[in-house]
Amino acid sequence: GDSVTQMEGPVTLSEEAFLTINCTYTATGYPSLFWYVQYPGEGLQLLLKATKADDKGSNKGFEATYRKETTSFHLEKGSVQVSDSAVYFCALSEDSNYQLIWGAGTKLIIKP
Amino acid sequence: SAVISQKPSRDICQRGTSLTIQCQVDSQVTMMFWYRQQPGQSLTLIATANQGSEATYESGFVIDKFPISRPNLTFSTLTVSNMSPEDSSIYLCSVEWEETQYFGPGTRLLVL
Repeated sequence: GDSVTQMEGPVTLSEEAFLTINCTYTATGYPSLFWYVQYPGEGLQLLLKATKADDKGSNKGFEATYRKETTSFHLEKGSVQVSDSAVYFCALSEDSNYQLIWGAGTKLIIKP
Repeated sequence: SAVISQKPSRDICQRGTSLTIQCQVDSQVTMMFWYRQQPGQSLTLIATANQGSEATYESGFVIDKFPISRPNLTFSTLTVSNMSPEDSSIYLCSVEWEETQYFGPGTRLLVL
């Protein structure tokens, strides 16, 4: 069945560092791909999404490109801030019920 | 995007009691979802609730333990019945809107 694999956390970076959180997937068809973010004590917010190969999703300085050849959707940001500290979830949706297959989540800690 | 609210935001309950969580969305939506997120974990889908039909439960979740109502296109409730400490989790509702799931802020439940 479909699955999503994320790099394990926590990931600890200094402020203004470059961020990459890896996400790879397995799917039988052509899924939509998502990144969600969960700040401490809050629910999940959609960060960005991509619906077809080579699409790039972007929001708040974060980017991810749908790579069908490598079945990847890595999250990147050029310069992180302390306020980016959160848990980041990669997910895919393939069926008509819009159900999501979730990665395990990656905790990001940004130190000033 | 759809704006979703949940009540209560948190609660502390005694074992053996039940708690009903409400989810309200600002737009009419067909599909609503209920998730559980145990501490430090990813999300697990409990059930999908479509207005006008019975909720569809995922493996490991049963209606007697997690009854769901969906009386109209903007509202749903999830009841956690006969609670035990193992039910301590964050419970999140989400809705499908333009082929994307949007989440409420969650209900943080502690069972003593």
